[in-house]
Amino acid sequence: DTGVSQNPRHKITKRGQNVTFRCDPISEHNRLYWYRQTLGQGPEFLTYFQNEAQLEKSRLLSDRFSAERPKGSFSTLEIQRTEQGDSAMYLCASSLAVGPRPYEQYFGPGTRLTVT
Amino acid sequence: QKEVEQDPGPLSVPEGAIVSLNCTYSNSAFQYFMWYRQYSRKGPELLMYTYSSGNKEDGRFTAQVDKSSKYISLFIRDSQPSDSATYLCAMLGDYKLSFGAGTTVTVRA
Repeated sequence: DTGVSQNPRHKITKRGQNVTFRCDPISEHNRLYWYRQTLGQGPEFLTYFQNEAQLEKSRLLSDRFSAERPKGSFSTLEIQRTEQGDSAMYLCASSLAVGPRPYEQYFGPGTRLTVT
Repeated sequence: QKEVEQDPGPLSVPEGAIVSLNCTYSNSAFQYFMWYRQYSRKGPELLMYTYSSGNKEDGRFTAQVDKSSKYISLFIRDSQPSDSATYLCAMLGDYKLSFGAGTTVTVRA
């Protein structure tokens, strides 16, 4: 399977704990995006990388959130001191920055976070 | 007001019916218009994209864009139970997608 993969698929944590999610994009894609989706809503943009550079962060991404993409390959999203409001599906997507169809973002299966 | 508005439904139709979905948007900077399909507890899957105003067909799916009215539509002909899912419209500006809330569709056998 050469699509976007995310791990873990599910995470249950207690409030106040730190969690880290991983995303492996499609191998030739140099853009990587993180979105968050809550029940009954569409995904909301959090941040994106082009290669290893983080180029944009949404105001939704509070100081407790940090994302990295070392070496421009996989990416991690860490949430520190989790709150119940962080419970959501965290989606990763990837795309090419240039080419005939740079707008096509391919999504992974998501990591469902539950904060108790 | 949200940048992208989409009626959340739900929408229930008999097998073989035409499903009609639509979204409105407010940001004139949006350049590309997409429709994604999302099954329960899965990631969104890109169905179709359009760039200019007009129609685009792909099998049983037709996407329409009217930039003057800031209105996009998706039609599914000869709907099948396997089409039961949540359909999300999405708009692309520079790099990020802005999504509607999604419309949940059930096709009854």
